[in-house]
Amino acid sequence: QSVLTQPPSASGTPGQRVTISCSGSSSNIGSNSVNWYQQLPGTAPKLLIHRNNQRPSGVPDRFSGSKSGTSASLAISGLQSADEADYYCAAWDDNLNGPGFGGGTKLTVL
Amino acid sequence: QVQLQESGPGLVKPSQTLSLTCTVSGGSISSATQYWSWIRQPAGKGPEWIGRLFTTGTIDYNPSLKSRVTISVDMPKNQLSLNLTSVTAADTAVYYCARGSGDRYFDIWGQGTLVTVSS
Repeated sequence: QSVLTQPPSASGTPGQRVTISCSGSSSNIGSNSVNWYQQLPGTAPKLLIHRNNQRPSGVPDRFSGSKSGTSASLAISGLQSADEADYYCAAWDDNLNGPGFGGGTKLTVL
Repeated sequence: QVQLQESGPGLVKPSQTLSLTCTVSGGSISSATQYWSWIRQPAGKGPEWIGRLFTTGTIDYNPSLKSRVTISVDMPKNQLSLNLTSVTAADTAVYYCARGSGDRYFDIWGQGTLVTVSS
């Protein structure tokens, strides 16, 4: 049982815009910032978005994040085949006193 | 740049202790603001935080694993260690070490090491 809830799958065609949702509670997303990680097949997660909407150096501006209340979302515009990956949201959980992760969303580029 | 590399046995028998090491290269493990975590990920599932260590002394564990986990550091060797006792098949996962920032995100991850618990 993951701390945060994500849809198991999402899909889009090249060039399209897709969004991935992440739902939490007052103890995590409701009171702390959200981070997003991209995990390409067979590799470790890579930080994609931090502090709700900040991109680390090197992450294209096609990726954007937002947060409202106890939910957050990741948007990917100009979808590319290289974006096929698992995407995980995460947020500090005050009850856990540590980060909680979502179960992941597998993005397929059709 | 800083890189992390996990190492340890890939197979552990049930009821035994899982022991892993994370070697930090390209920088010092000692930091006043950053911390080091162990995170695991069962196949097909999301990551699960195991615990974190600040080299200033604070150590926090996931409450669900706290009774079985010990995280420690060897600063001269620039290494972080994980011990998980009384393992079962449910502990089978890829284990990652990761660097955490003061803003509570992980900016550097090791490549991960698969640990299978089986007799």
